[in-house]
Amino acid sequence: ILNVEQSPQSLHVQEGDSTNFTCSFPSSNFYALHWYRWETAKSPEALFVMTLNGDEKKKGRISATLNTKEGYSYLYIKGSQPEDSATYLCACHTGGFKTIFGAGTRLFVKA
Amino acid sequence: EAGVAQSPRYKIIEKRQSVAFWCNPISGHATLYWYQQILGQGPKLLIQFQNNGVVDDSQLPKDRFSAERLKGVDSTLKIQPAKLEDSAVYLCASSLALAGGEELFFGEGSRLTVL
Repeated sequence: ILNVEQSPQSLHVQEGDSTNFTCSFPSSNFYALHWYRWETAKSPEALFVMTLNGDEKKKGRISATLNTKEGYSYLYIKGSQPEDSATYLCACHTGGFKTIFGAGTRLFVKA
Repeated sequence: EAGVAQSPRYKIIEKRQSVAFWCNPISGHATLYWYQQILGQGPKLLIQFQNNGVVDDSQLPKDRFSAERLKGVDSTLKIQPAKLEDSAVYLCASSLALAGGEELFFGEGSRLTVL
């Protein structure tokens, strides 16, 4: 079974700090890598869908990079704000039509 | 555009009782997923439908869990009888197609507590 690992498990930062998380996945049979943000009491929402090695995507203060050859993706948040507090999930989509999630990184941003 | 609808949002039952969750995906989305998310873990795929056919149910505990997607639209997930370890959030998601790695659109989840 495909194993998707995320680190750290949780992170506490101050408002204004920049932070980053890691998602690692087996590089064989890779098709796409998804990042989702899941706020408490809401539904997970897609941040990025990435498919190409070297891909870099940005949405406001959040950006992500992808290395499919070594099997990792980084998510960066610049100048964290309290509203960024959420669980960040990555998911790997394989050619066998499976989308497997990591356990997530729980971010707490203190004002 | 209406999102993925799930009900109930919360359910508390005793062990050995049964429970059913309902999901209505985004209109036109062919693929529907049920995930189980236990506290501290990532969402685990229980079952994946393409229209009304099952694509993957390898991690569905079939002795107690069942799911159907009649007419290829909405879906129900049933647990009978429930065990303590079934306490989790049950997330329904849909996507436009099976292949292509499109993003998943999630409902708000159904939180189950088994006492």
